[in-house]
Amino acid sequence: DAGVIQSPRHEVTEMGQEVTLRCKPISGHNSLFWYRQTMMRGLELLIYFNNNVPIDDSGMPEDRFSAKMPNASFSTLKIQPSEPRDSAVYFCASSPTSEQFFGPGTRLTVL
Amino acid sequence: GQQLNQSPQSMFIQEGEDVSMNCTSSSIFNTWLWYKQDPGEGPVLLIALYKAGELTSNGRLTAQFGITRKDSFLNISASIPSDVGIYFCAGPSMRTGNQFYFGTGTSLTVIP
Repeated sequence: DAGVIQSPRHEVTEMGQEVTLRCKPISGHNSLFWYRQTMMRGLELLIYFNNNVPIDDSGMPEDRFSAKMPNASFSTLKIQPSEPRDSAVYFCASSPTSEQFFGPGTRLTVL
Repeated sequence: GQQLNQSPQSMFIQEGEDVSMNCTSSSIFNTWLWYKQDPGEGPVLLIALYKAGELTSNGRLTAQFGITRKDSFLNISASIPSDVGIYFCAGPSMRTGNQFYFGTGTSLTVIP
């Protein structure tokens, strides 16, 4: 298996633009997680899905953030409109049960 | 929620030295996970522990699941430069099982 796949690996955009981050979880994993990592705050859970259903989105910073999981093999995290303070590394992770496997991350820079 | 406290926050050691770091929680976990994150990469799972008292090795790494189920430690023997990175402990929520809690990380620097 290729592991968790994220795209793009790097994204540079201007304030106000829409940003879409993509994730393909490991096949057979029934849980998917979106995290944000910054120097100041460390690793923060944004939202997680179980069997494609959003379970807990309390970590989503505000309404500008949204996440979808239309099927078991694909999820998106969208930021609209983006702001400079959204600059961070965004990780997707998937889990079969009690272990969690991370993708390589998307480094987002909002100018 | 379940909080995980890692110590030390950072370590600077000479190549060849042994390293020890730990993770404590105010509540119990049924699983402890240890990850390593290299710069510019995602965390990679190193060791998973499933039973209180369990001692598991992965090469030069050894981790133990504390008897009280509220702590775990990770040891690295004979450190080498590629051990540099941030080490995180983590565990799934006792309540939901799906949500994972992460420690704040221990940053390791190995001086050649």
